Amino acid sequence: EVKLLESGGGLVQPGGSLRLSCVASGYNFGSHAMTWVRQAPGKGLEWVSGISSAGGDTNYADSVKGRFTISRDSSKNTVYLQVDSLRVEDTAVYYCARSPGYQYYYMDVWGKGTTVTVSS
Amino acid sequence: EIVLTQSPATLSLSPGERATLSCRASQSVSDSLAWYQQKPGQAPRLLISDASNRPPGIPARFSGSGFGTDFILTISSLEPEDFAVYYCQQRSSWPLLTFGGGTKVEIK
Repeated sequence: EVKLLESGGGLVQPGGSLRLSCVASGYNFGSHAMTWVRQAPGKGLEWVSGISSAGGDTNYADSVKGRFTISRDSSKNTVYLQVDSLRVEDTAVYYCARSPGYQYYYMDVWGKGTTVTVSS
Repeated sequence: EIVLTQSPATLSLSPGERATLSCRASQSVSDSLAWYQQKPGQAPRLLISDASNRPPGIPARFSGSGFGTDFILTISSLEPEDFAVYYCQQRSSWPLLTFGGGTKVEIK
């Protein structure tokens, strides 16, 4: 069974940092791009960042560029999202999602999400 | 940035009825559009990719159509488990992706 399991969320003060992790299982991790999507409380979906299957291509939404960093470790079947300089408006459930191919176009498998709360 | 506008915001229907959801793009996205379903407390699920392609395991009552700026998700006969929020998403402006604001399908 294909699965994604996120972790690393929590309560953090404005300006703080977290590292979100997403462990993949049940498929060839190296053949699929990965994406992070977030959802603020009561709001819609927002694409945050994507990384190609080989890890050489990374991109970010303007709202997080320069503060968030996506990476992947094929030896651990894990994708990460380092979130720095956190703002109150970054409060959201962060979902990790797989894309069907080498680039992140659509998301065909999703994790259950990890919650990030930024508050003083 | 390509903006996706979904309408209506809320659709009130009864089980067995046909649901028609709209997604309009601020500029042409060709057929580079997907639809997702999200139930309360759950992650989204991919229903349709490239405007009209249904992934394995998605029931045939879900269908997508459209090209350019106007897209439709149709649920031919609503089942109780179909009451949820639906989002469209475009990949035409890759590497940046955007989602629509969502349409909630609720029980009338």
